[in-house]
Amino acid sequence: GENVEQHPSTLSVQEGDSAVIKCTYSDSASNYFPWYKQELGKGPQLIIDIRSNVGEKKDQRIAVTLNKTAKHFSLHITETQPEDSAVYFCAASGTTSGSARQLTFGSGTQLTVLP
Amino acid sequence: DVKVTQSSRYLVKRTGEKVFLECVQDMDHENMFWYRQDPGLGLRLIYFSYDVKMKEKGDIPEGYSVSREKKERFSLILESASTNQTSMYLCATLDRGLYEQYFGPGTRLTVT
Repeated sequence: GENVEQHPSTLSVQEGDSAVIKCTYSDSASNYFPWYKQELGKGPQLIIDIRSNVGEKKDQRIAVTLNKTAKHFSLHITETQPEDSAVYFCAASGTTSGSARQLTFGSGTQLTVLP
Repeated sequence: DVKVTQSSRYLVKRTGEKVFLECVQDMDHENMFWYRQDPGLGLRLIYFSYDVKMKEKGDIPEGYSVSREKKERFSLILESASTNQTSMYLCATLDRGLYEQYFGPGTRLTVT
């Protein structure tokens, strides 16, 4: 099955600096790579995703890059703000059963933005 | 807005008890999932359902069962709770043919 590794497990940055979180996956058949943000006391929420036919995707201060050859993808947050502090999860998917696309999640990164 | 609700935010049960965790969604999504979240392990899939009365095992189904009698409701059952099932449990939904999973707020279960 799919295996997703995520690094680092904790990351502290100064407000206004950039943050980068990296993930690798094992199954070359995976073709969908979302990133979820989990704030304290809440469930994870999708913030950006990328499919395997695209190398990079941006949404304001957030960008995701994908290297299919190396089987890794990264989340980039620029101009970090205190409200970016949260746990971030990467995930990979290529498996469907019935109509359900299954996700395999990374272990999570606790991002802290210091004022 | 998609709304996924879970019956309890916090739950404390004793070893050996039968435990029911309920998840309800209001968006008519075909697919529903149960995950457990543990520090350093991320989210791991326990079971999922792609239709009423249909279920499939995820990566860690041992010690759990599920029930989906109605489309909007997906229940996770711990037949005989054990201390190693102390965890955060998250329910999620997914619309047919789409990609984004929507999560509930989670139930933090402590088994003593």
